[in-house]
Amino acid sequence: EPEVTQTPSHQVTQMGQEVILRCVPISNHLYFYWYRQILGQKVEFLVSFYNNEISEKSEIFDDQFSVERPDGSNFTLKIRSTKLEDSAMYFCAGSIRGGSSYEQYFGPGTRLTVT
Amino acid sequence: AQSVSQHNHHVILSEAASLELGCNYSYGGTVNLFWYVQYPGQHLQLLLKYFSGDPLVKGIKGFEAEFIKSKFSFNLRKPSVQWSDTAEYFCAVIQVSGYALNFGKGTSLLVTP
Repeated sequence: EPEVTQTPSHQVTQMGQEVILRCVPISNHLYFYWYRQILGQKVEFLVSFYNNEISEKSEIFDDQFSVERPDGSNFTLKIRSTKLEDSAMYFCAGSIRGGSSYEQYFGPGTRLTVT
Repeated sequence: AQSVSQHNHHVILSEAASLELGCNYSYGGTVNLFWYVQYPGQHLQLLLKYFSGDPLVKGIKGFEAEFIKSKFSFNLRKPSVQWSDTAEYFCAVIQVSGYALNFGKGTSLLVTP
């Protein structure tokens, strides 16, 4: 069964550094998402992406964040200048189509630690 | 404000006990409802979903959930849990017109032999 993969599984970075989190969605998925979960808190939506454009984003997704699908397989989340409060588990997800009726398939997550 | 509440944060049950996990939501407009599960060391996966129709929905591994519109609730149930059900369970809501899943804080279930 195809799965969403994410790399790295754990990333440690210093405050102020740029990080890129990578995801390989399931090949026939067209809509892509990033979520995050700060330790002890709930999973929060960051952004959804379709056809090389952001379709929806949350208040968390400010100018420090960007997403890209640089080629036909990868989907990336970039944080330009990391802050301590960016430490979290970041989950990538994908769906065949957009909208509420289509299941979102999640990756295993990347744990980001900002020191 | 839109919110999803899961009332039980940690639940410990013996094998064969019955399970009910509560989920309430506060949303304007029509929503679709989901329960996701995360087994230790694994990714989030869908247990079941409700869009419309019969308010009692059945999912994988013997789980079911009941949507009660008047109570804004979508509680998860299983008549007899197994040790392998030990996991974190998340209720999630999405507006029919939207893309973003709004999750509850999750319930950690431990099933003891």
